[in-house]
Amino acid sequence: GESVGLHLPTLSVQEGDNSIINCAYSNSASDYFIWYKQESGKGPQFIIDIRSNMDKRQGQRVTVLLNKTVKHLSLQIAATQPGDSAVYFCAERAGGYQKVTFGTGTKLQVIP
Amino acid sequence: EAGVTQSPTHLIKTRGQQVTLRCSPISGHTSVYWYQQALGLGLQFLLWYDEGEERNRGNFPPRFSGRQFPNYSSELNVNALELEDSALYLCASSLALGASTDTQYFGPGTRLTVL
Repeated sequence: GESVGLHLPTLSVQEGDNSIINCAYSNSASDYFIWYKQESGKGPQFIIDIRSNMDKRQGQRVTVLLNKTVKHLSLQIAATQPGDSAVYFCAERAGGYQKVTFGTGTKLQVIP
Repeated sequence: EAGVTQSPTHLIKTRGQQVTLRCSPISGHTSVYWYQQALGLGLQFLLWYDEGEERNRGNFPPRFSGRQFPNYSSELNVNALELEDSALYLCASSLALGASTDTQYFGPGTRLTVL
């Protein structure tokens, strides 16, 4: 498998503040993007997705923004709560039987 | 509705042994994906099965193999285990390609330790 760094970037946020987690993707042919949340010892949990024909999508307390020009994806979490503490992964897929490629992840720490 | 289930939860093996991991997808899902997640690392794509056929394979040696059964459940087999195979093995499932949504939903994983 591909090698990735051992040290995840960490974002520390005060409880109640908004969090913004960023992700850069490399494949300009990617047309589907997903954000997952992974708590310690558990499998990734789907948060929200967006297709390339959109630039913004909102869920409950979460918003995903897609900027295809600079190949950038972000996840915004409103009013961050202690339960939001986890590792967040972005993922991209180029369509057809192309595999989903996951980013290296960002650890979100919520300070009570 | 039950989510993706995996068995066993934990497994300890020794170098050179063989292991079989099992996955049952969400009802109605026909695609199954396998990923390896070594401690502290991201998800590395292993295999993708859809309608019983292998659709895509990651950069892993041939001793990693699998199959999908007619009921869409899947097995991942790893032969000649090596220490670096120690990891969390995650299975995900999705609706068929071309469905209204093919988002992958993950199981809890199988923690494999190779001694």
